[in-house]
Amino acid sequence: QQQVKQSPQSLIVQKGGISIINCAYENTAFDYFPWYQQFPGKGPALLIAIRPDVSEKKEGRFTISFNKSAKQFSLHIMDSQPGDSATYFCAASRTNAGNNRKLIWGLGTSLAVNP
Amino acid sequence: EPEVTQTPSHQVTQMGQEVILRCVPISNHLYFYWYRQILGQKVEFLVSFYNNEISEKSEIFDDQFSVERPDGSNFTLKIRSTKLEDSAMYFCASSEWQGGEQFFGPGTRLTVL
Repeated sequence: QQQVKQSPQSLIVQKGGISIINCAYENTAFDYFPWYQQFPGKGPALLIAIRPDVSEKKEGRFTISFNKSAKQFSLHIMDSQPGDSATYFCAASRTNAGNNRKLIWGLGTSLAVNP
Repeated sequence: EPEVTQTPSHQVTQMGQEVILRCVPISNHLYFYWYRQILGQKVEFLVSFYNNEISEKSEIFDDQFSVERPDGSNFTLKIRSTKLEDSAMYFCASSEWQGGEQFFGPGTRLTVL
């Protein structure tokens, strides 16, 4: 119930192509779904996040699509660039009574964009 | 731009030794977290901290682990008696409010020999 499943584990895309990473969750109490980008030697950095009251959110070349009934969400990177080469993590969390919002993470996707 | 910092970047220790991992969260943030990532595995939540007490901890966070905010700026994770399986990258994170974005530090790579 606490798991977030992410696929694919690795992805190679040509420059200018679309990168798509998928995540699925079980716990219907999750109400916040962020995507993090991590470069080698750095901590994860928030890329974009969505809440379940919308089906899509777009920020520049990055779009989250959210399917509440299927309990799935995905990250689309349009016009992928070599600088997008990084590891991408999806995560989920829920509002709880405690003073925190712990993140449940996917396993990560290593994206390589070929020039 | 404010950022979360962590020291040291790499810590090597012998099994059974105590280690303290240090974090300086963003100054106006009130919620603090530790996560860890074993090589090749997913990032896992360890503990959250607010108002000088633990808000939630995972089953990984057993009696060997403790957290402390000894002053107004530092947030530490102590492992009393390290085990081989504690080898991982440890990330500190902070957020301004409960549901706010969590900002992560660069991590401390802990290697237990």
